[in-house]
Amino acid sequence: EVQLLESGGDLVQPGGSLRLSCAASGFTFSNYAMNWVRQAPGKGLEWVSIISGSSGSIYYADSVKGRFTISRDNSKNTLYLQMNSLRAEDTAIYFCTRHPLEAATIVRFDLWGQGTLVTVSS
Amino acid sequence: DIQMTQSPPTLSASVGDRVTITCRASQSIDTWLAWYQQRPGKAPKLLIHKASSLESGVPSRFSGSGSGTEFTLIISSLQADDFATYHCQQYKYYPVTFGQGTRLE
Repeated sequence: EVQLLESGGDLVQPGGSLRLSCAASGFTFSNYAMNWVRQAPGKGLEWVSIISGSSGSIYYADSVKGRFTISRDNSKNTLYLQMNSLRAEDTAIYFCTRHPLEAATIVRFDLWGQGTLVTVSS
Repeated sequence: DIQMTQSPPTLSASVGDRVTITCRASQSIDTWLAWYQQRPGKAPKLLIHKASSLESGVPSRFSGSGSGTEFTLIISSLQADDFATYHCQQYKYYPVTFGQGTRLE
């Protein structure tokens, strides 16, 4: 079955760090660019970051640039998001999403995980 | 960043109704627009890409149209399963951006 399964969401204090993981199955992981998209409680969707299939291209939203790092391990079919210097406004459900091309261009999301909740609060 | 504005924010409808949701971009995005359906407590699901191309497995009662700055999602005959929130997304420019969503109730 083609699926994405996120993990790692938790309650963390402002200024803290967290690492999210996304395990992919049912497709050739390295053939696809992967993203993180988040949704704050009761709000709309916000794209966070993308990494191409080969890890050669990486982009971030301005709101997380310099604090978050996206990476992938194609041998483990796993996507990661290292989140540092977390702020209250980073509180959201974080979705792992697939882009139907290897390259990080004309990016849409054809497969979504169920999401993992990150809460930043003291 | 490209601003995406959906209208209406909330839409009241009944089973069997024809429903139209509009999405406007702050500048031209050609046809680089996608529509997603999100049921409560669930992840979004891609319905339409390139403004009018239906994803595999999506019922034909869903259709999309438009180009440039104005786009529409039409549900020709609303089914019980369709009560959800719908999001548009532009993907011509980085950062890709979403509309604020239209809740169909």
